[in-house]
Amino acid sequence: AQTVTQSQPEMSVQEAETVTLSCTYDTSESDYYLFWYKQPPSRQMILVIRQEAYKQQNATENRFSVNFQKAAKSFSLKISDSQLGDAAMYFCAYRGTQGGSEKLVFGKGMKLTVNP
Amino acid sequence: DTGVSQNPRHKITKRGQNVTFRCDPISEHNRLYWYRQTLGQGPEFLTYFQNEAQLEKSRLLSDRFSAERPKGSFSTLEIQRTEQGDSAMYLCASSLVYRGQYSTDTQYFGPGTRLTVL
Repeated sequence: AQTVTQSQPEMSVQEAETVTLSCTYDTSESDYYLFWYKQPPSRQMILVIRQEAYKQQNATENRFSVNFQKAAKSFSLKISDSQLGDAAMYFCAYRGTQGGSEKLVFGKGMKLTVNP
Repeated sequence: DTGVSQNPRHKITKRGQNVTFRCDPISEHNRLYWYRQTLGQGPEFLTYFQNEAQLEKSRLLSDRFSAERPKGSFSTLEIQRTEQGDSAMYLCASSLVYRGQYSTDTQYFGPGTRLTVL
């Protein structure tokens, strides 16, 4: 079974600084998708960024970028120019493409605090 | 497009009672998912529908849980004889998948229904 591990339960960053959130996963599949979701306090889960495993180029979305290392099964999220609104729980998630399963497998999450 | 909506947002019930939650997906999304999230954990998959067909159920979905999506639009999740261990946030998500293609869909989440079983 696929697993997703977020080893850092909490991190903090100063406003305008850069922070990197780590995620590792375990799978025997070669084709899959990886996601970072953000869950602000008492608000719904929002997709931050996605990465297709067959793409070598790392995904970027404005201030958010990933470092996807397929061989190492690592998928980290970099947030540049951190803003107060970035404070949230961040979840790394995996979705495979084999066996017909469409479920997302999530890590335990990491709480990001942004200090003014 | 108003996003995924869930009702109620909060539900407090006594142990042994039945509860039902509703999810309205994004209009025209053909896939609908249910997840459960307990405190300090990431969401865990429960089940999903493609249109009205329930295609996968997790082992977490015991026989006290049942989900339906009768017309391929909204879905309901019912928990019978609730237990304290059922206390959690129940999340619904929807996506659009085109026939014959891999699921390159993105799942869009609703705000969740927080269940507290006393």
